[in-house]
Amino acid sequence: GAGVSQTPSNKVTEKGKYVELRCDPISGHTALYWYRQSLGQGPEFLIYFQGTGAADDSGLPNDRFFAVRPEGSVSTLKIQRTERGDSAVYLCASSLDGGLNYGYTFGSGTRLTVV
Amino acid sequence: QKEVEQDPGPLSVPEGAIVSLNCTYSNSAFQYFMWYRQYSRKGPELLMYTYSSGNKEDGRFTAQVDKSSKYISLFIRDSQPSDSATYLCATSGGSNYKLTFGKGTLLTVNP
Repeated sequence: GAGVSQTPSNKVTEKGKYVELRCDPISGHTALYWYRQSLGQGPEFLIYFQGTGAADDSGLPNDRFFAVRPEGSVSTLKIQRTERGDSAVYLCASSLDGGLNYGYTFGSGTRLTVV
Repeated sequence: QKEVEQDPGPLSVPEGAIVSLNCTYSNSAFQYFMWYRQYSRKGPELLMYTYSSGNKEDGRFTAQVDKSSKYISLFIRDSQPSDSATYLCATSGGSNYKLTFGKGTLLTVNP
């Protein structure tokens, strides 16, 4: 597609529930990133995929968070046993390769609210 | 101390003003410096990209990096109401893919 697509754009869930957030990167981009942006803050790195594998998952806050990219294109961020502190905008980005020479393209994000 | 510090503002200026946005960073390993613009309820959009020290100009925008003082700046000339957005500085080094962002500065340009 023309840009990075994230669905849903908004998600409201109850505390303790499981959620999945989807990211469709730009076609041909091998690198995919997830960031989390809390209110009034800049985005914070969560995980980086190169192809199908997670090259760096050091930003995932705890084991309730997990992400997959089984075919090297679409990625899903999964959050188990959601907590109110997980409320944030989850941003996905993709780039042509894993370097910064071509920059990232971000999607519009999924706004997650845990009530 | 956070790795990248940015005054969140808000900053309000009249149309046509010169805007100066700034960040400081603490990690001397940072080599890549970027400015992103983020409109409300949208993802960040890359505005300017600089590798190492120096200046870069693109139309009304100028980015400056001073590695000796660990200071990065974005100047906007002849500011327009359409420039109203949050401006995020971002840096990277070592990993070459992971960005560390400042908090962002909310800018409003009044017509």
